[in-house]
Amino acid sequence: GIQVEQSPPDLILQEGANSTLRCNFSDSVNNLQWFHQNPWGQLINLFYIPSGTKQNGRLSATTVATERYSLLYISSSQTTDSGVYFCAGEEGETSGSRLTFGEGTQLTVNP
Amino acid sequence: DAGVIQSPRHEVTEMGQEVTLRCKPISGHNSLFWYRQTMMRGLELLIYFNNNVPIDDSGMPEDRFSAKMPNASFSTLKIQPSEPRDSAVYFCASTVGLGTQYFGPGTRLLVL
Repeated sequence: GIQVEQSPPDLILQEGANSTLRCNFSDSVNNLQWFHQNPWGQLINLFYIPSGTKQNGRLSATTVATERYSLLYISSSQTTDSGVYFCAGEEGETSGSRLTFGEGTQLTVNP
Repeated sequence: DAGVIQSPRHEVTEMGQEVTLRCKPISGHNSLFWYRQTMMRGLELLIYFNNNVPIDDSGMPEDRFSAKMPNASFSTLKIQPSEPRDSAVYFCASTVGLGTQYFGPGTRLLVL
């Protein structure tokens, strides 16, 4: 199966700062998703981004599929952005195939 | 939409007991996934169904684990007998096609 590497593993920010999280894949992935796991454990899908760039408020993501990486940008961070950010890639060509997760980036935003 | 619904939210049981976790996917979604999250192994896929049919159960740790999806709106994950190393958070997720996966709130399982 594919390997998913996320960096950095931990990140501490002051409120208002910007940050970039990175996700590298060992092989081609058909689809890529970013998730945020809040301190209560809930996993929220942020982006479904197999390629290109998407933006949602203060968050944006870019996937360069040919180079097997994706970036998540957080601008003007807030304390509510704290939690663990996971990227995950799907293998296979048919619907509903396997989703392999990285180990996550633990983000702490201090007031 | 109510989102993916899981029950129970918390389960504490003793080693050797049977545990049944339940999931109701989002209406209209045709794929359902069971994941397990632990500190040691992170998030790992256990099994997934497409149109109620199990497609890949290679992540199921051993024969003590079984999963069923009798219809499009219900799935169960059963552990029999349970062991302390099964303690984890179990997530159910659903999606339609290759799209965004939506996760339920998870079931926190503690096996004593």
